[in-house]
Amino acid sequence: GQNIDQPTEMTATEGAIVQINCTYQTSGFNGLFWYQQHAGEAPTFLSYNVLDGLEEKGRFSSFLSRSKGYSYLLLKELQMKDSASYLCALRGDSWGKLQFGAGTQVVVTP
Amino acid sequence: EPEVTQTPSHQVTQMGQEVILRCVPISNHLYFYWYRQILGQKVEFLVSFYNNEISEKSEIFDDQFSVERPDGSNFTLKIRSTKLEDSAMYFCASSDRTGGRYEQYFGPGTRLTVT
Repeated sequence: GQNIDQPTEMTATEGAIVQINCTYQTSGFNGLFWYQQHAGEAPTFLSYNVLDGLEEKGRFSSFLSRSKGYSYLLLKELQMKDSASYLCALRGDSWGKLQFGAGTQVVVTP
Repeated sequence: EPEVTQTPSHQVTQMGQEVILRCVPISNHLYFYWYRQILGQKVEFLVSFYNNEISEKSEIFDDQFSVERPDGSNFTLKIRSTKLEDSAMYFCASSDRTGGRYEQYFGPGTRLTVT
């Protein structure tokens, strides 16, 4: 089975940096994904890590440590539109199901 | 940019009725999925589909649920006899093999309300 933990909510100021942590336990691992979900909308793909290390993509970066069962998503230069839920998701086999965490609600304040 | 589409955006039905939720995956994708999200809860996997057959299904996907790819473009989820607890947002997703990443792209969802 799989277990995914992430904080429920984080608040940060516009222009600042926020780091959202995700810890997991899993018997099989074939990738960790981060999705953004605005209220009432679909999850949208942000990043994918399958090897240890940092993946950078514009204002968003994601880090993975497989030995520690740990990932984080770093959001830089926060904008008001970044207020959303950020979902950590695990994939156990090569192309199959994603198991989602409960999501971290990020609130960006002026 | 290609995207997954879903119809209808909102479906209201009475308990015990059958509903069919429709999805058009991204055209060159080969792997298809249904997920659901009950209001305020996490996104839950229902079923994955490849090569015209179910690859994996969750405990939620019982005999009341079925999926079909009736033609080359549509992918449907049928709930045979809806229950109140089926009220949720249903998301279709699709992926391809690009780079071995199998990134899943989600449609906008169908909000199902069972009364």
